[in-house]
Amino acid sequence: DAGITQSPRHKVTETGTPVTLRCHQTENHRYMYWYRQDPGHGLRLIHYSYGVKDTDKGEVSDGYSVSRSKTEDFLLTLESATSSQTSVYFCAIGQGSDISYGYTFGSGTRLTVV
Amino acid sequence: GENVEQHPSTLSVQEGDSAVIKCTYSDSASNYFPWYKQELGKGPQLIIDIRSNVGEKKDQRIAVTLNKTAKHFSLHITETQPEDSAVYFCASRGSTLGRLYFGRGTQLTVWP
Repeated sequence: DAGITQSPRHKVTETGTPVTLRCHQTENHRYMYWYRQDPGHGLRLIHYSYGVKDTDKGEVSDGYSVSRSKTEDFLLTLESATSSQTSVYFCAIGQGSDISYGYTFGSGTRLTVV
Repeated sequence: GENVEQHPSTLSVQEGDSAVIKCTYSDSASNYFPWYKQELGKGPQLIIDIRSNVGEKKDQRIAVTLNKTAKHFSLHITETQPEDSAVYFCASRGSTLGRLYFGRGTQLTVWP
């Protein structure tokens, strides 16, 4: 999607290893979000950021951490990957709480933990 | 926080028929309701949205209606085509830092 890039697109990793997913935006949006998508669960919020170094937990944050040192980058780290973290991860960007705009989503990262 | 429920979870229609997906929300302060379409292997994409001061909005074959009193909103697709086949998500903007809360999605299949 224009203005938002996720990397890598696919990754296979072993149980117990740390993994970092990257979200990069060129839209200068203040808000960034990490979701995971699993069959039957829809989109579940992991963590979000409302500014540089300002982050907060979502509904399924256990086992995940995030960092945002620059406006354009939002990193999601699986501290010690487990098979339950096999999922498709989506990053999204938003313009803010006072503006009625939806999010723009990235193309996703398919992560497999073996 | 906000709770968004979406029904049905799967929907199959014949090409040319209409499709309706319904969502309810719990936070009376919610003021913005977007709909997303997700094609296989891609991220969700915004297709239409409605603000709380509007009851209905149309864009070609797609329309969204909002009933604030009942706290529900619906997506209507008319004259469905096979390319409408996708997963559709509704969402509601609650009062927590402008977050969107998503329904669990509806897999729409349009048969030729």
